[in-house]
Amino acid sequence: EIVLTQSPATLSLSPGERATLSCRASQSARTYLAWYQQKPGQAPRLLIYDVSNRAAGIPARFSGSGSGTDFTLTISSLEPEDFAVYYCQQRSNWPLTFGGGTKVEIK
Amino acid sequence: EVQLVESGGGLIQPGESLRLSCAASGFIVSSYFMGWVRQAPGKRLEWVSTLYSDGTTHYADSVEGRFTISRDHSKNTLYLQMSSLRADDTAVYYCARELPVAGTYHYFDYWGQGTLVTVSS
Repeated sequence: EIVLTQSPATLSLSPGERATLSCRASQSARTYLAWYQQKPGQAPRLLIYDVSNRAAGIPARFSGSGSGTDFTLTISSLEPEDFAVYYCQQRSNWPLTFGGGTKVEIK
Repeated sequence: EVQLVESGGGLIQPGESLRLSCAASGFIVSSYFMGWVRQAPGKRLEWVSTLYSDGTTHYADSVEGRFTISRDHSKNTLYLQMSSLRADDTAVYYCARELPVAGTYHYFDYWGQGTLVTVSS
């Protein structure tokens, strides 16, 4: 099983700042990694798939990079609606696995 | 518009069975890969099961042999039959549609609102 470890657990930033979130895989996930955003009481929302492809309707301020075991989600300039929990997910191997999440909170 | 609406959750005793339903609209369930993902309170998302359009199924080890994923084409509905439930099955269960991009499977682009299953005596 590929274990995904996200860091930091919490990121305290102000609107307009840049957010950099990390996801590290216990073994290579190749380029098969996605990012989701989840707000309290809501279902997750797909942001990025296969490392760097934005899902439909996702703003360009969200971008992804990486390969193998190290991946990054960057939010170039935080908007008020971006404060949420972000999860990474791999599809390289069964079982599909998710990271533990990074909470982006308002500083 | 794509919509997924789960139902069937509730409070259930350990060892009992429960069936979750996920009614879909805006697309045909049997034409897509579909899955169930759960989230225990305050915990990370956990993939549970996937059903391919050709009927192939996959299960997490933690539910293999206890849970069964299925669909009813006539009702355009996905199901998760859960048996021998345990306390650690307590979670919000989401049904989700996989992203239908050729060659890119097993990401979830549409999710339901979730249904809470609580296993407790």
